[in-house]
Amino acid sequence: NAGVTQTPKFQVLKTGQSMTLQCAQDMNHEYMSWYRQDPGMGLRLIHYSVGAGITDQGEVPNGYNVSRSTTEDFPLRLLSAAPSQTSVYFCASSGTGGNQPQHFGDGTRLSIL
Amino acid sequence: AQSVSQHNHHVILSEAASLELGCNYSYGGTVNLFWYVQYPGQHLQLLLKYFSGDPLVKGIKGFEAEFIKSKFSFNLRKPSVQWSDTAEYFCAVTLSGNTGKLIFGQGTTLQVKP
Repeated sequence: NAGVTQTPKFQVLKTGQSMTLQCAQDMNHEYMSWYRQDPGMGLRLIHYSVGAGITDQGEVPNGYNVSRSTTEDFPLRLLSAAPSQTSVYFCASSGTGGNQPQHFGDGTRLSIL
Repeated sequence: AQSVSQHNHHVILSEAASLELGCNYSYGGTVNLFWYVQYPGQHLQLLLKYFSGDPLVKGIKGFEAEFIKSKFSFNLRKPSVQWSDTAEYFCAVTLSGNTGKLIFGQGTTLQVKP
């Protein structure tokens, strides 16, 4: 009963490096989202997807790319890491319909030096 | 753009005190409303949700929230808090029919003193 699985849990990068945060869910949810959590700012939506092959931008998409080739996976890519991207990243998924709450992963704590 | 505002950023209470956390949203259409809780070092967990029907909704751990449409509010309440309620609380909104785009408030940190 894994739910939403994020890897890695912690990562330290140097400015300019690239990396991919992985997210997988086993609940056959159509909707998946990426958020970043920063102190005093709550969670802000980066990108989201309403199904395989469909993605859209959230509030803070700059510097991040996503793709959704399968229902289960929704990786988040940082092409050239910047210190401003130091944050805790959460992936979430939910079923379709207006009454389905989102299920969150455990988060990835990312530090950019 | 839609937004969610939580008025209390940091609340400190003694055990057994009553709790009310404010949440207002800005959107004139039909919304779905949520309260999530994040215990230290953990991911977000759903406390309660409102989609339609009775505006007073009950969640887990004795929490409840009231949806007042005329005030665009969805305040969270608990009659008697416990030390274990120490956590960060987030109000969130989705537009009806689109649960992939959850808009969060800034969060309220609740500290309960034993």
